[in-house]
Amino acid sequence: GQQLNQSPQSMFIQEGEDVSMNCTSSSIFNTWLWYKQEPGEGPVLLIALYKAGELTSNGRLTAQFGITRKDSFLNISASIPSDVGIYFCAGLASGSARQLTFGSGTQLTVLP
Amino acid sequence: DGGITQSPKYLFRKEGQNVTLSCEQNLNHDAMYWYRQDPGQGLRLIYYSQIVNDFQKGDIAEGYSVSREKKESFPLTVTSAQKNPTAFYLCASNPPDRKNIQYFGAGTRLSVL
Repeated sequence: GQQLNQSPQSMFIQEGEDVSMNCTSSSIFNTWLWYKQEPGEGPVLLIALYKAGELTSNGRLTAQFGITRKDSFLNISASIPSDVGIYFCAGLASGSARQLTFGSGTQLTVLP
Repeated sequence: DGGITQSPKYLFRKEGQNVTLSCEQNLNHDAMYWYRQDPGQGLRLIYYSQIVNDFQKGDIAEGYSVSREKKESFPLTVTSAQKNPTAFYLCASNPPDRKNIQYFGAGTRLSVL
C-alpha cells in the first residue's frame, strides 16, 4: 500500500512552546487528515484538509495541505499539558476507494 | 448517545481459539472499517465494508474474517490462523456527507494467554 513518512517520531517540549510535525508521501493525496490519540483510546479527528495550499485552524492547532499535494504539516501553538498524546496524519490518495493511509505517529510529551 | 461502540474493551484469547470483536454504530454510516494498531506503528487496514452484505480485504486480512449483515454492525473475528493477534483493534466509520473522514471507536485491546 501507500506509505506516509511522519516526523518526528517523538518530541519532548516545555509547556508554552510551539510544536511542528509533518507528513510526506511519494504519491499525490487529495485529502489530508490529522488525528490525536490518547492512551487506550481511539484517534480523534482534529483537522481535515481537501485542497492544495489549504490552511485550516482549530483553536491552537493549524494544519496545511502542501502545494505539491505530497505533504502536510500540523502546528500546535503555546502547548499545554493536555496536548500530550500521539498525533497521526492520514491521507487519501487518488483512486484509493476511501482507504486512508496512516503515518506512524508523533508522540508528544509536554513538560511542565 | 450517537457514536461508534466497540466491545469488549479488553479481550484475552487462548491458543487455537477464535474470538469476535464487536463494532456497532448508530450514525447511519454506510462505510465501516477495521484497523490493527501495533506499538510505534500507524494503523493498518484489515477489512472494510462500503454497504451491507459486502466487504473487501485490506492490507492485512489474513487470519481475520468479518460480516456485514446489518448497517449498524461490523464484527471482526480473529481466527486461530492469526498467529500474532496481540494488538489494539480500532473500528471506524465514514459519513457519506463528510468526504473521506473516518470516525473511530474507543478500541479493543486483544491479548493472548
